[in-house]
Amino acid sequence: AQSVSQHNHHVILSEAASLELGCNYSYGGTVNLFWYVQYPGQHLQLLLKYFSEDPLVKGIKGFEAEFIKSKFSFNLRKPSVQWSDTAEYFCAVNENYKLSFGAGTTVTVRA
Amino acid sequence: NAGVMQNPRHLVRRRGQEARLRCSPMKGHSHVYWYRQLPEEGLKFMVYLQKENIIDESGMPKERFSAEFPKEGPSILRIQQVVRGDSAAYFCASTLGGGNYGYTFGSGTRLTVV
Repeated sequence: AQSVSQHNHHVILSEAASLELGCNYSYGGTVNLFWYVQYPGQHLQLLLKYFSEDPLVKGIKGFEAEFIKSKFSFNLRKPSVQWSDTAEYFCAVNENYKLSFGAGTTVTVRA
Repeated sequence: NAGVMQNPRHLVRRRGQEARLRCSPMKGHSHVYWYRQLPEEGLKFMVYLQKENIIDESGMPKERFSAEFPKEGPSILRIQQVVRGDSAAYFCASTLGGGNYGYTFGSGTRLTVV
C-alpha cells in the first residue's frame, strides 16, 4: 500500500511570501499524484494532478507542483501567497480507485 | 450542479447510539467512496460502492460499520453503537467511472460522540 508523508503540520507566513509544501510517497511503480485544498468550512477541491506528463504541473490559483521521481517527491509551490490561500492542503497518491492521503498541512497566511 | 451533498454537516451522538451519514453523489455519478479523517491524520479510505454493490470495503472496521448505495436514494454510512473513537470527519466522494476519473468530494459530516 502507498503511504504519503507531508513534512509540515502547520505553516504560517505573510502575504506575498513564497510557499512550498513538501510531500513524499512510498514507491509503488507508476503513480498518479494529487494536491487537494480544503478552505475553512468547505469541501476538498482539486488543486492539481500529475498523470505521467510533464513533471512540472500547473494548477489552479497560481499553484504548481514538481514531480521528482528519484526523490519520490511531489512538492507544492506558490511564488506569492494571498490571505485567501489560508486552508488545509493534502497530498494524495492513487492506487487504482483509492486515494492515500497525507496528514495535511494547515497554511495560515497573515495579512 | 449541486455537487456531492452530505448531510448532516454536524452530528452529535451519545455512546451506544447509531449514526447515519448520507451522501448524494453528483448527478450522473454512479461510484461513491467514503473516507474518514481522524484528528491530526489524513483521510483514510473506507469503502467503494456502486449502485447496489459494495466493490471494496477493505477500509471499513469489521464491526459496527456498514455502507450501502441503493438503486434509489443516497449512499448511507451507518455506525452502530458508536464509541468516542468514532469521532471524526467522514467524507464522501463520487466519480463518473472507477479509477482516476476526478473525484468530487462532499463537505463532510463531522461526527462527535459524547
